[in-house]
Amino acid sequence: NAGVTQTPKFRVLKTGQSMTLLCAQDMNHEYMYWYRQDPGMGLRLIHYSVGEGTTAKGEVPDGYNVSRLKKQNFLLGLESAAPSQTSVYFCASRFPGDFYEQYFGPGTRLTVT
Amino acid sequence: AQTVTQSQPEMSVQEAETVTLSCTYDTSESDYYLFWYKQPPSRQMILVIRQEAYKQQNATENRFSVNFQKAAKSFSLKISDSQLGDAAMYFCAYKGTGTASKLTFGTGTRLQVTL
Repeated sequence: NAGVTQTPKFRVLKTGQSMTLLCAQDMNHEYMYWYRQDPGMGLRLIHYSVGEGTTAKGEVPDGYNVSRLKKQNFLLGLESAAPSQTSVYFCASRFPGDFYEQYFGPGTRLTVT
Repeated sequence: AQTVTQSQPEMSVQEAETVTLSCTYDTSESDYYLFWYKQPPSRQMILVIRQEAYKQQNATENRFSVNFQKAAKSFSLKISDSQLGDAAMYFCAYKGTGTASKLTFGTGTRLQVTL
């Protein structure tokens, strides 16, 4: 049981390049989330999904797109990377229901030069 | 919108001593959940403790306990018998109720543990 995994762990992009971050979970969780973590700002929600084929915007969605084609995967895309997107990105997942906690992946450190 | 405030950017505690990390939040909801997460240098987010707002009893998990003051909207974390492995960033987080209710995080407190 791997839990929540993220690919890649590190990446350096040039401004204007595109990339996709992959989040995978093997816990059969319905809900999945993408956060970014910047120094002094805690984690902020980018996008989330309540099930296969559904996505919704979070607090800071601009410049990102997401897709949830399979229940176990949640992809975060950057179409044209900007230096302001330099951050650590975390994926999380959980079961529906208020009681259930979120399980986090190990994070992806992205640097945009 | 809910906000979570951690007013202590850094704290230090000696090994075996007790330390309290502060957190306040703002919400108009009556039912919600509060969490403390630990983030060690590995970056992994680890759930330390959880409190349901409808429960009056403060949550405890081994050396970790909370002081939940609902009227004051305060949720502090007490770490007893501090250990070197407790050194980390600690984040307070709020979650409301309802479909896909999301976590709102504070800015974190960096805890140092000294010998």
